Amino acid sequence: DQQVKQNSPSLSVQEGRISILNCDYTNSMFDYFLWYKKYPAEGPTFLISISSIKDKNEDGRFTVFLNKSAKHLSLHIVPSQPGDSAVYFCAASDSNYKLTFGKGTLLTVNP
Amino acid sequence: EPEVTQTPSHQVTQMGQEVILRCVPISNHLYFYWYRQILGQKVEFLVSFYNNEISEKSEIFDDQFSVERPDGSNFTLKIRSTKLEDSAMYFCASSETGTDGYTFGSGTRLTVV
Repeated sequence: DQQVKQNSPSLSVQEGRISILNCDYTNSMFDYFLWYKKYPAEGPTFLISISSIKDKNEDGRFTVFLNKSAKHLSLHIVPSQPGDSAVYFCAASDSNYKLTFGKGTLLTVNP
Repeated sequence: EPEVTQTPSHQVTQMGQEVILRCVPISNHLYFYWYRQILGQKVEFLVSFYNNEISEKSEIFDDQFSVERPDGSNFTLKIRSTKLEDSAMYFCASSETGTDGYTFGSGTRLTVV
């Protein structure tokens, strides 16, 4: 039962362009959503989050959009840089504070 | 910047042996978690710990698993009798409030042979 789905296992983008990573969820009890970035041999690193009462949160080059009615969120990175190349995990949290992760999307930003 | 520290970085053990994975969460954090990632699969929740007790655990976290906070700084995951399918990266995480800013350690790669 995949409560958090990242349907694109990989994404390749040119440096300077926008990267859009998508995530869908099924559990309407989720009230907090997070994006993590993970390099090989390292733990996930927190990137940006959004509460279910908002529809957008921006932090520098990173913006997360939440569409509650569609149970969909996306992470926009603009402009993309080669150092952004990593696996990006979408995660959702409920009132019990545990995270449910998607399978991740490997982003490759080409110079 | 404060870190969550995990030791060892790599543990090889024979099937049936007990292993203890160690974590030092960030000092002012109150919520502690263990997650694991089997190679090529998603990161899976194992257990959360708050106020010196388990607050939630997943189906994966059966009787072979236990967690402990033996002193004010360490948070350990014990697997009593390891199985081949326990081979995975195990990540410890901590959080100050339980919502924003979960900080993960760099993981312990457990290989059961």
